[in-house]
Parts: sequence; C-alpha cells; structure tokens
Amino acid sequence: DQQVKQNSPSLSVQEGRISILNCDYTNSMFDYFLWYKKYPAEGPTFLISISSIKDKNEDGRFTVFLNKSAKHLSLHIVPSQPGDSAVYFCAASVGTGANNLFFGTGTRLTVIP
Amino acid sequence: SAVISQKPSRDICQRGTSLTIQCQVDSQVTMMFWYRQQPGQSLTLIATANQGSEATYESGFVIDKFPISRPNLTFSTLTVSNMSPEDSSIYLCSVEDEGGGSFGYNEQFFGPGTRLTVL
Repeated sequence: DQQVKQNSPSLSVQEGRISILNCDYTNSMFDYFLWYKKYPAEGPTFLISISSIKDKNEDGRFTVFLNKSAKHLSLHIVPSQPGDSAVYFCAASVGTGANNLFFGTGTRLTVIP
Repeated sequence: SAVISQKPSRDICQRGTSLTIQCQVDSQVTMMFWYRQQPGQSLTLIATANQGSEATYESGFVIDKFPISRPNLTFSTLTVSNMSPEDSSIYLCSVEDEGGGSFGYNEQFFGPGTRLTVL
C-alpha cells in the first residue's frame, strides 16, 4: 500500500528551463512533506520541506507547492542546472519520527546542457 | 549535519549466507535507522536502533532476519541473515538532525548506502 506516489519515474529538461516534479499522497493525516535529492553512490540528502499549514515554501531555485485538497505536492526548480540531475524522492510524515515517514519511489531528473 | 559512512559500499553474496553492514556517524546520536530500497521501490524503514536497548522493527521485518547491534552512540550494524535473491537491495542507515529542523521536525541524514546483490 503505497501512501506516497511519484508516477513519473523520469523527467528530462533543458538547462535554464523549469523542472516540475510531482508527488501524490493518499493519507490526509500527513502534516509534513519533504523532498530529498540523491546522486549515484550517495545517500539521499534533504532538499526542502513544507508543513501542511502552508501551501508554498521557497528556497532559492527550489519551491515546493502543497495542494491539500488534491493531496498533491510538487517541486519546482527554476532555472534547472545540469548539477540538478539526480533522483528526487518525495516523502510525507504524520508527526515526527522516522517510523512515520513514507517515501515515494523517486523521479530521475536529467537536465540537458 | 551528520556525516555517515557505511561498509561495505557493495557486495555480491551467495544464497543462504549472511552479511553484516556497518554504519558509523561522526557525532553521537540517540537513534539510528535502517532502511531498505528494493529495485524500483521506495525507501522502507526496517528498524530503529537505540543504544542500550533492543531495536524496534517495523511491520514485515523481524529480528531473526535482520539482527541489529547498537553498541554505542556512533555505531550500528545490520545483518541480513540467510539471504535470498529477494534481499537484493540498497540498505541505508540514517540519523535524525537532533539539533532541530524546520517546523519542529528533525530532518534525516542518510549514509551512502550498501548495494547488496544476492545470487
């Protein structure tokens, strides 16, 4: 039972353009959402997060949008750079604690120079 | 942020054998976590390892299959016992940012992972 879903396994974008990575969830009790970025042979690294009390959080080139009514989360990267090429994992949590954290299957982003 | 190392980085093992994965953190942490990522799947929490007590396993994971040690506040091991090809996965350890993160939630730091292939 996959509570967090990333339906696009891969995405290719031209350098300088916007990358939009999508994530859907099923559990309305999730109150905290995160994006992790993973390079080959490395562990996932935290990128950006958002609380369910907000609908947008911005950090430099990265913006996360939350649509609670649609149970949908998206990560926008503007402008995209070749160094952004990685696998991006969406995750959602009910409260704190690793045992309450659920991950999506990841989307591989390729930014084409 | 915590720096986490894992050994081995990868291994190829025969069915029926066991492999112990080591996780070392550069600072003392209360809890360490072990995850599995099977091919094409999401990261799934196996267990939480607390120093000085038995690990807490998530549904679907048992101590006999995945025994865990936590001898001190910077180190943990996960053993994958009596392996079968279905155990082929990436195994990751992680720790929480105990300094506090955004919105009162402690983000996690992950090790580089151990890629296990069982033949």
